[in-house]
Amino acid sequence: TQLLEQSPQFLSIQEGENLTVYCNSSSVFSSLQWYRQEPGEGPVLLVTVVTGGEVKKLKRLTFQFGDARKDSSLHITAAQPGDTGLYLCAGGRAAGNKLTFGGGTRVLVKP
Amino acid sequence: EAGVVQSPRYKIIEKKQPVAFWCNPISGHNTLYWYLQNLGQGPELLIRYENEEAVDDSQLPKDRFSAERLKGVDSTLKIQPAELGDSAVYLCASSINYGNTGELFFGEGSRLTVL
Repeated sequence: TQLLEQSPQFLSIQEGENLTVYCNSSSVFSSLQWYRQEPGEGPVLLVTVVTGGEVKKLKRLTFQFGDARKDSSLHITAAQPGDTGLYLCAGGRAAGNKLTFGGGTRVLVKP
Repeated sequence: EAGVVQSPRYKIIEKKQPVAFWCNPISGHNTLYWYLQNLGQGPELLIRYENEEAVDDSQLPKDRFSAERLKGVDSTLKIQPAELGDSAVYLCASSINYGNTGELFFGEGSRLTVL
């Protein structure tokens, strides 16, 4: 059973459209990371959020950490084919505890 | 600077055969992780090392899996004997030190197919 549930599992959109990926848990996390993984590669860190209610922007990507630190979202504006990949959220609960990954959302942006 | 290096990239074996994967972390990173990733799923931690000490191996199936990091640098993950269900990608990652806000740097993974 995944402590972190990601939705949707798969998302296919046209270039230029917007999308949102969700990461939810019944547990409180002290930090939340988002990674993107392309086929045949390892995951690469996009952002880390640590404060409830925090919003971070990375060009066309907007990340939000829920007020209660149980959920997070990733919003992509005007998606491009280069945004295609597996998006993974990962939560940490306390210093010394392990990082737990969600099941991932596979995003396909068609030209 | 070189990233996390893993080998082999691909391995195909028959069930009941042994297999070993090697990982060289980024220089200076004292925390090393082995993850298992099934197709389209998130990584699942198998074992975490702080230097040469395995500090979290609770998810490692110890009847067939073993790992070592003898000098606190590179590491080897072994499966003996392999089963069909072991087919997956084995990812190695490293970080400067352990903390849940620290960035993990992943290798490209070793894809295992057990026939």
